[in-house]
Amino acid sequence: EIVLTQSPGTLSLSPGERATLSCRASQGVRSSFLAWYQQKPGQAPRLLIYGASRRASGIPDRFSGSESGTDFTLIISRLEPEDFAVYYCQQYGRSPGTFGQGTKVEIK
Amino acid sequence: QVQLEESGPGLVKPSETLSLTCSVSNYSISSGYYWGWIRQPPGKGLEWIGTIYRSGDTYYNPSLQSRVTISVDTSKNHFSLTLNSVTAADTAVYYCARIIVTKFGYFDCWGQGMLVTVSS
Repeated sequence: EIVLTQSPGTLSLSPGERATLSCRASQGVRSSFLAWYQQKPGQAPRLLIYGASRRASGIPDRFSGSESGTDFTLIISRLEPEDFAVYYCQQYGRSPGTFGQGTKVEIK
Repeated sequence: QVQLEESGPGLVKPSETLSLTCSVSNYSISSGYYWGWIRQPPGKGLEWIGTIYRSGDTYYNPSLQSRVTISVDTSKNHFSLTLNSVTAADTAVYYCARIIVTKFGYFDCWGQGMLVTVSS
């Protein structure tokens, strides 16, 4: 199975700052089949990005995704108060689909 | 907007069977898409459990395959999860979701989740 390693575990930033989250796959992810989710306490995850770089419906353009080989990046260009949450990456190119362990973006 | 809602017992005894149902609104399961279950132990990450299509074709995470069954009832527009021989390690929030692209694709719509506790 493909293992996804997210870093850092926790990111402490202030509103207005730029957040850069990393997700590294243990092997190639077929067809850029990688998604990003945001999860707030007590809520279900919310789809942000699919296909490595495509924003889901209704997602603000301050969220962007990119890939370079087996490295995937989620960037939040300017943090809004509602962006402080846990973020997960997920690969869906090979069975079983797997998730990273998450990156928590907290208020500094 | 499609909506999903999990239901079932919130407490299951060790060695018994966990059973949950996901009711889908504003979309007919028989129209297409894959549908699946994901779980999240308290304070931990997400794990894909399995997927079902309207035809009844199923796909399971190999780590759970020996204990999991997912079924669909298109007449009731819901799908269900059963997990046998549960232990405390199966305590988690269980989510149902719609799946896009492939049978183990990404999840674009989620239920609110249901906490199932395994305890005597």
